[in-house]
Amino acid sequence: QSVLTQPPSVSAAPGQKVTISCSGSSSNIENKYVSWYQQLPGTAPKLLIYENDKRPSGIPDRFSGSKSGTSATLGITGLQTGDGADYFCGTWDTSLDAGVFGGGTKLTVL
Amino acid sequence: QLQLQESGPGLVTASETLSLTCTLSSDSITSRPFYWAWIRQPPGKGLEWIGLVYFDGETNTSPSLRSRVSISVDTSKKTISLRVTSVTAADTGVYYCARAQREIDAFDIWGRGILVTVSS
Repeated sequence: QSVLTQPPSVSAAPGQKVTISCSGSSSNIENKYVSWYQQLPGTAPKLLIYENDKRPSGIPDRFSGSKSGTSATLGITGLQTGDGADYFCGTWDTSLDAGVFGGGTKLTVL
Repeated sequence: QLQLQESGPGLVTASETLSLTCTLSSDSITSRPFYWAWIRQPPGKGLEWIGLVYFDGETNTSPSLRSRVSISVDTSKKTISLRVTSVTAADTGVYYCARAQREIDAFDIWGRGILVTVSS
């Protein structure tokens, strides 16, 4: 059971937009930065979003992040078949005094 | 560009100790804002945060693993080490080392990971 809750799967057609939610609590998301990761099959996770809504160099602006209260959201516009992957949210939990991740969401681009 | 490389045995016998090393490609192990973390992923499952270490040796480990996990740093060798004692099949998975920054906690650099299987 993950501390952060994500939907197990989402799907959308190429060119469409999709959002992935990440739900937490006051001891994690509400008061800490959220980051998002993309994991393609057989590879290490890749940082997509940090500090809730910032993109590292090289990440296209099709990817966006937002946070409100105890939830965060990853948005992907102009979906491409190559976006099909697992997506994870992460943050710090002050009650556990440890890093935490969501269970992951599998994105299928139909 | 900094690179991280995990190494260690791919097969460990149940009840024994798992030992892994993460080697950095540059001297940035002593960069003050950063810490070095171990994260694992059981087959077909999500990411699990194991713990972290700063260059000065300060560590923090997951409450669920604290009694079995130790993490250390050797700045002269540019390595971060992980030990997990009394392993079981539940410790099977891909183990990653990664870099993050204090208070931001976003993992911007990852190793390729190493698959560790616990056999009975």
